[in-house]
Amino acid sequence: GQNIDQPTEMTATEGAIVQINCTYQTSGFNGLFWYQQHAGEAPTFLSYNVLDGLEEKGRFSSFLSRSKGYSYLLLKELQMKDSASYLCAGLDSNYQLIWGAGTKLIIKP
Amino acid sequence: DGGITQSPKYLFRKEGQNVTLSCEQNLNHDAMYWYRQDPGQGLRLIYYSQIVNDFQKGDIAEGYSVSREKKESFPLTVTSAQKNPTAFYLCASSIGQEFEKLFFGSGTQLSVL
Repeated sequence: GQNIDQPTEMTATEGAIVQINCTYQTSGFNGLFWYQQHAGEAPTFLSYNVLDGLEEKGRFSSFLSRSKGYSYLLLKELQMKDSASYLCAGLDSNYQLIWGAGTKLIIKP
Repeated sequence: DGGITQSPKYLFRKEGQNVTLSCEQNLNHDAMYWYRQDPGQGLRLIYYSQIVNDFQKGDIAEGYSVSREKKESFPLTVTSAQKNPTAFYLCASSIGQEFEKLFFGSGTQLSVL
């Protein structure tokens, strides 16, 4: 079956760095996405990886290893507004998104 | 500003009642989707449409119905056959299969009275 696994909840300190991991098993693979979702709001796109390696966008970076079925989202210089859920989603061979349950990130002052 | 508008933000359903959730987009996107979000679970696809007057069932279509009469609109009806409708419903759109441009509406929280 298809599956996306990510931790349920993480806590970090303002100004620090946090890494949110995601492992995936999909039927075929056409890329991996990260979205940010504040409580009760719409998810917003953060990153898309289809090739191995690190993609950097400002304070946020995303890494992919296709051989390991593994990705992570790295958030630097954490701010209180980064408190949100982070959703990992894999795109299978039929171009359907398989979603993880999300990781709730709590930022403490 | 272009975007996706969902309404209402909160909706209550009585036993045996059908309710319709609205989703309108002015992004000129071809594809539209309905997802259901439950606590502790990933988003689950209910229905999707890649072109006007055509739509396909997703993973959990039972108890739901949709229509796509206009490119801009993709309403979702939660029928009385859906026995556990309480959830957060998200509408999204994209240009064809370009999921990197998946835009979401702000969601509708449906609860049962």
